[in-house]
This record gives sequence, structure tokens and C-alpha cells, in this order.
Amino acid sequence: EAGVAQSPRYKIIEKRQSVAFWCNPISGHATLYWYQQILGQGPKLLIQFQNNGVVDDSQLPKDRFSAERLKGVDSTLKIQPAKLEDSAVYLCASSWTGEQYFGPGTRLTVT
Amino acid sequence: QQQVKQSPQSLIVQKGGISIINCAYENTAFDYFPWYQQFPGKGPALLIAIRPDVSEKKEGRFTISFNKSAKQFSLHIMDSQPGDSATYFCAASLGGNNRKLIWGLGTSLAVNP
Repeated sequence: EAGVAQSPRYKIIEKRQSVAFWCNPISGHATLYWYQQILGQGPKLLIQFQNNGVVDDSQLPKDRFSAERLKGVDSTLKIQPAKLEDSAVYLCASSWTGEQYFGPGTRLTVT
Repeated sequence: QQQVKQSPQSLIVQKGGISIINCAYENTAFDYFPWYQQFPGKGPALLIAIRPDVSEKKEGRFTISFNKSAKQFSLHIMDSQPGDSATYFCAASLGGNNRKLIWGLGTSLAVNP
């Protein structure tokens, strides 16, 4: 069974630029999560999808972050414009019965 | 009430020793307690999980001990190996398939050869 795929693995941008991350969950997993993990901290949930509907986006900075999962499979997370404090690893996870499986993450550096 | 407090922040253990990481929670409605292992450059991977109807769960060298009355749970790694060196996160969540995990801050474990 293929795992959660994410791309790109690394991204360096300047502040005020925009960036997008892509996630392909494990086949059949209805629930998809985007997390932000700052170095030395645990993952922080940004948004949770159930199929293509949003379940929880209470911690998503909606003035600059957006996410979509149009067909209930792949998802994209966008930041526009980026700030220095957005430097982090962005993790995607998916689940079917509650156990979450994580992708390798995208390391974003904002300079 | 949504917090999960994890300790210690870092841990150094000799090869063959026992590594113990502790977590405490406040919300008695939590009903699922997983532990995740994360290596540098990788996403967290589910290691072992427990529900509050049992006091202990063992999988190989990894054991979760759960104390419902004290609202605490711990991870024990027996016969610790250098390959166990990683960051370990405890978490807790409420019921249902749409689980929102509340994460501890993590413990960086180093196992010396």
C-alpha cells in the first residue's frame, strides 16, 4: 500500500511570495489533515477534511492560508503572502478508521 | 483542558536500558491515546496506541501503561537500541473517525551505543 505522498519536499521563498503544497493521501482514506510543525514542537492542526468538506479549520490563518480538496482525494495548501514565521514543515496525514498516517512533509523556509 | 503535557523534553539512555516517557491529560472525554515516533526529515509514524478500557498494551519492546484515575499514560521502551533514537510524541483525541489529535510537545530520545 502506497503511503501519503507530498511535494515538494523542500521550498525556499522570500517573504510576501506565495507557495503551494500538494498532498496525495492513501487510497480510500476519506479524512485528510494538514499540519504545521515548527522545529522542536509537535504538529499543529491547520485544517481537516472529510472527503471534500472541511471538518475543522479553526487554527488556519485564513487571511493568508487556504486549502482545498476538490474531488475528495488530492489536496493543496497555499500560503499567500508568506511571512517569516511560516517557516516550518507542513505535514499531510490521512486516515480511514481514525489512525493517522503521515507523509514525509514539506520543509518551507521563508527568507 | 485540551492540553497534553509530556515529559521529559529530552532523554538519554544507554543501549539496553529502559526509556520512559510520560504524558498527562485533563479532558476525561479523551478515549484514544497514540504514541508517534518521528525520525529527522520524516513524518510522524504511529508506534502504538491504547484506549482507556485497558491499563497496559505491549507490542514488542514498546509498552503503554495507562492510569485512568491519575489521567496519565506512559511509553516504556525496553532494551533500548540506538535505532530508537528519535522524537516521540504522545497524543490524545475524542471519539469518532474524524479524530482531532491533541499533541504533546515531544521527547527527544538519544540511545547511546
